[in-house]
Amino acid sequence: ETGVTQTPRHLVMGMTNKKSLKCEQHLGHNAMYWYKQSAKKPLELMFVYNFKEQTENNSVPSRFSPECPNSSHLFLHLHTLQPEDSALYLCASSPWGGLTQETQYFGPGTRLLVL
Amino acid sequence: QKEVEQDPGPLSVPEGAIVSLNCTYSNSAFQYFMWYRQYSRKGPELLMYTYSSGNKEDGRFTAQVDKSSKYISLFIRDSQPSDSATYLCAMTPSGGSYIPTFGRGTSLIVHP
Repeated sequence: ETGVTQTPRHLVMGMTNKKSLKCEQHLGHNAMYWYKQSAKKPLELMFVYNFKEQTENNSVPSRFSPECPNSSHLFLHLHTLQPEDSALYLCASSPWGGLTQETQYFGPGTRLLVL
Repeated sequence: QKEVEQDPGPLSVPEGAIVSLNCTYSNSAFQYFMWYRQYSRKGPELLMYTYSSGNKEDGRFTAQVDKSSKYISLFIRDSQPSDSATYLCAMTPSGGSYIPTFGRGTSLIVHP
């Protein structure tokens, strides 16, 4: 596996379900990100982790709970979501987490539908 | 006013056309300007980046920055059906956090 991978690629869940999204990066980067991409809206930064420590939480509702056990893995735990949470959830990684000008590398995303 | 404005399109052009994609922004601190390309069912990938004002060319692609007007452009010459994708502009300031601010993307369709 190379680059940034995400599983599952598609997820349908009810509002009472609990599910988790997984991201893995094989680039040796130190920073990982969760973004939400909704139709016709800019990418919304949700969380940033640098060296496994959360450095940014962009006022995300508590029904989204991130976890970063190491610099290569990132999870997004979902519970009691709302239909408006349906979107493409993108994971990204970068070498230094925005401390210097750098490129972010994105995974293919998880398409989430909340019924 | 949004920090970065980008017309979502879709923009539909015939093969071989010159395409112009644009973004405007309000934060004069932005210094680094990037264009990402996102194919359907894929994540965004960096296409080009420029620093401050001026032009940068890479093959059929030219990125242009006009800081006085707070306006950036991406030109695609001899457009191909394989260029059909969503193009997102992104930008960061020169200091503080370099996490980019994205536009909402322009959907481009190049038809044969």
